[in-house]
Amino acid sequence: QQQVKQSPQSLIVQKGGISIINCAYENTAFDYFPWYQQFPGKGPALLIAIRPDVSEKKEGRFTISFNKSAKQFSLHIMDSQPGDSATYFCAASMNRDDKIIFGKGTRLHILP
Amino acid sequence: NAGVTQTPKFRVLKTGQSMTLLCAQDMNHEYMYWYRQDPGMGLRLIHYSVGEGTTAKGEVPDGYNVSRLKKQNFLLGLESAAPSQTSVYFCASSYSWGQGRLTTNEKLFFGSGTQLSVL
Repeated sequence: QQQVKQSPQSLIVQKGGISIINCAYENTAFDYFPWYQQFPGKGPALLIAIRPDVSEKKEGRFTISFNKSAKQFSLHIMDSQPGDSATYFCAASMNRDDKIIFGKGTRLHILP
Repeated sequence: NAGVTQTPKFRVLKTGQSMTLLCAQDMNHEYMYWYRQDPGMGLRLIHYSVGEGTTAKGEVPDGYNVSRLKKQNFLLGLESAAPSQTSVYFCASSYSWGQGRLTTNEKLFFGSGTQLSVL
């Protein structure tokens, strides 16, 4: 039972371009939506997170866009750099639960 | 400050053998988790613990056991390893959440992973 669906599975973007990764969720009780970044051979690390009371959150070149009615959220990486090449996971959790549910991940490759 | 430390980093087992993965955190976190990561499958929760002496099942608990005898340690055991358990295993920890709802409380800190191969 996958509660967070992530797409695409892989993505290739030219340096300087915009990388967009999308996620959709089913459970309307989710109220916290983080994105994790994972480099090869490393554990995932929190990149940016959003709550459903806002439609957008920006941190540097990274932006989360949130559409509560559509139950979708996306990560936008502006001016993508080769150093952004990594696997990105969207996730969701709810206040009354103790777990984070992850999407299946997107392998992003930025061409130099 | 080491954060979350996993041992060993690599291990090869034969089918039927047993082993224990150790996770240690030095951040005084209440919550600890074991995930497995497989290609195309993302991170799947095996077991987790919300405090010393407590454990709970995640999405894929079969074939694994866990123990949390000390707050800083969370052990994952495979009693009889199977090839389907070949994976990369990640431990993570966090402050308790559901309380305060501060961003830092909801952040998962991951270890660097254990690559396990079962032949």
